[in-house]
Amino acid sequence: QKEVEQDPGPLSVPEGAIVSLNCTYSNSAFQYFMWYRQYSRKGPELLMYTYSSGNKEDGRFTAQVDKSSKYISLFIRDSQPSDSATYLCAFNTNAGKSTFGDGTTLTVKP
Amino acid sequence: DVKVTQSSRYLVKRTGEKVFLECVQDMDHENMFWYRQDPGLGLRLIYFSYDVKMKEKGDIPEGYSVSREKKERFSLILESASTNQTSMYLCASNIQGASTDTQYFGPGTRLTVL
Repeated sequence: QKEVEQDPGPLSVPEGAIVSLNCTYSNSAFQYFMWYRQYSRKGPELLMYTYSSGNKEDGRFTAQVDKSSKYISLFIRDSQPSDSATYLCAFNTNAGKSTFGDGTTLTVKP
Repeated sequence: DVKVTQSSRYLVKRTGEKVFLECVQDMDHENMFWYRQDPGLGLRLIYFSYDVKMKEKGDIPEGYSVSREKKERFSLILESASTNQTSMYLCASNIQGASTDTQYFGPGTRLTVL
């Protein structure tokens, strides 16, 4: 069984829609929870991170962590065509290495 | 801004060739990583290094080796390239012990082995 399972997608939504991206994990040692965004032909870049259960908001993006259920989500409000990318969830222990989900490709249509 | 650069964006090599992929970071990061990214398989860690001349195997080290002679440079070597090593290769770096452990990625090298 994989340590991280990410909703596979792809997702296609109209501009302005609310998007929900989800990952589950099985490793209780994961302490840091991150979302990376990867545009086509580019490397991933950090979008949001958190280390506690609950919600963290940054503009149109909200990261949600439920440690008891081992479940994290990224919500995008008022989605824009520029949000079209692959989104990767990532998890760290204290050892400095990351475990990544497989990614969900999102397309926001004008 | 942290910058991670990779020597080539696209490479085409033949089966059996020795291939060198270079990565340089400019932020004095201790940790450096090499991943490959394949559709449906996500990012898989090949090797990482937490200091000069130090290396550890990741999840899929077979067929690869690495070299870290200087802190800013981490090289991935394919000793004898095979077609199943056709992939996107991503280098990353981060600060050892940073609270977020965020990794900074390079733009990737798309390697095709014919």
